[in-house]
Amino acid sequence: NAGVTQTPKFQVLKTGQSMTLQCAQDMNHNSMYWYRQDPGMGLRLIYYSASEGTTDKGEVPNGYNVSRLNKREFSLRLESAAPSQTSVYFCASSSAGAATNEKLFFGSGTQLSVL
Amino acid sequence: GENVEQHPSTLSVQEGDSAVIKCTYSDSASNYFPWYKQELGKGPQLIIDIRSNVGEKKDQRIAVTLNKTAKHFSLHITETQPEDSAVYFCAAKDSSYKLIFGSGTRLLVRP
Repeated sequence: NAGVTQTPKFQVLKTGQSMTLQCAQDMNHNSMYWYRQDPGMGLRLIYYSASEGTTDKGEVPNGYNVSRLNKREFSLRLESAAPSQTSVYFCASSSAGAATNEKLFFGSGTQLSVL
Repeated sequence: GENVEQHPSTLSVQEGDSAVIKCTYSDSASNYFPWYKQELGKGPQLIIDIRSNVGEKKDQRIAVTLNKTAKHFSLHITETQPEDSAVYFCAAKDSSYKLIFGSGTRLLVRP
């Protein structure tokens, strides 16, 4: 049982390049999330998907797009990377309904550097 | 929107001592308060949570207390061990149902 799997673990981009971060969960969770973690700022929600077929903006959505491909997979895309997007990105999942945004299970993260 | 402040940013304790981390929140409608532990190179992991209708919750050496009137909640770790060394995050689920995290506390337990 792998839980939440993120790929890649590390990535270096040049300003203006695009890339997609992949996330998959095998816990049959309905809700999935993307967070970014910056030093001294905790975790900030970028986008989330309460259930398959829906996506909503979080605290810091600018510069990102997401796709809920199916119940298992939730991807995060940077169309034109900027140095301000250098961060550690975490995908998470949870049960839905009243438990949405509760008892999150996190992946191990993607460390992204934009030069 | 919700704002969660966490203190201290770093905490160093001797093995066997207690550690206390405090958080304050701004949205009086927030009703769910989890604590996550993040070990080096890993994602955060939920260690304990509390709802607004409960004042205290314990799980072995870990406890969380909530003061709704003052809008603050705290994590208490007793009999600390070296494996408790990690970064701890508090969070609050606000009236828009989003989970807002504090900035984190780096706990070091000295052997």
